[in-house]
Amino acid sequence: KAGVTQTPRYLIKTRGQQVTLSCSPISGHRSVSWYQQTPGQGLQFLFEYFSETQRNKGNFPGRFSGRQFSNSRSEMNVSTLELGDSALYLCASGEVGIGAGELFFGEGSRLTVL
Amino acid sequence: EDKVVQSPLSLVVHEGDTVTLNCSYEVTNFRSLLWYKQEKKAPTFLFMLTSSGIEKKSGRLSSILDKKELFSILNITATQTGDSAVYLCAVEGSQGNLIFGKGTKLSVKP
Repeated sequence: KAGVTQTPRYLIKTRGQQVTLSCSPISGHRSVSWYQQTPGQGLQFLFEYFSETQRNKGNFPGRFSGRQFSNSRSEMNVSTLELGDSALYLCASGEVGIGAGELFFGEGSRLTVL
Repeated sequence: EDKVVQSPLSLVVHEGDTVTLNCSYEVTNFRSLLWYKQEKKAPTFLFMLTSSGIEKKSGRLSSILDKKELFSILNITATQTGDSAVYLCAVEGSQGNLIFGKGTKLSVKP
């Protein structure tokens, strides 16, 4: 069974640009959640999607958005990039969702904003 | 505000030692606490705890939850160099989000 796949693995952007990250969950998993990891703040929850609906959202500005498609693949978008958005972005998939069982994480997308 | 605090932030031990990692939390409407191991990029699942006082075990690792005192511990016995990693504790928050602690960085020296 293939694991969680995130693309791209690495990317470099400049301030003001926007970026789209992709996450393909494990087959059969309907929940996809996104996290930002930085050395100072650790892992922080961005949002969770379940069956194409955003179920929960963390405390991030509206520049951070996401969506989920009918095949459960998810994308997150960050607009008007700031230097502080440099981070490792992780997605996780689960059969049911947060708190209800094991979450499987992808390898992450490392974003550098210059 | 929901929060999760892990201690210590870092720990250096020698192979064969036993370590105890701590996780305390303040969450409204607690549902579950999870432990993850992060070696390079992707955190890998260790345990999920929902009931107080019931120990979960997997080989040399074990974990227990105390819902009255609002904390959990992760024990690793007979540590090996392969146990070197960041150990993350997470709690499902009152709004269905997942709140992580800052992690404990464990270094096991040969």
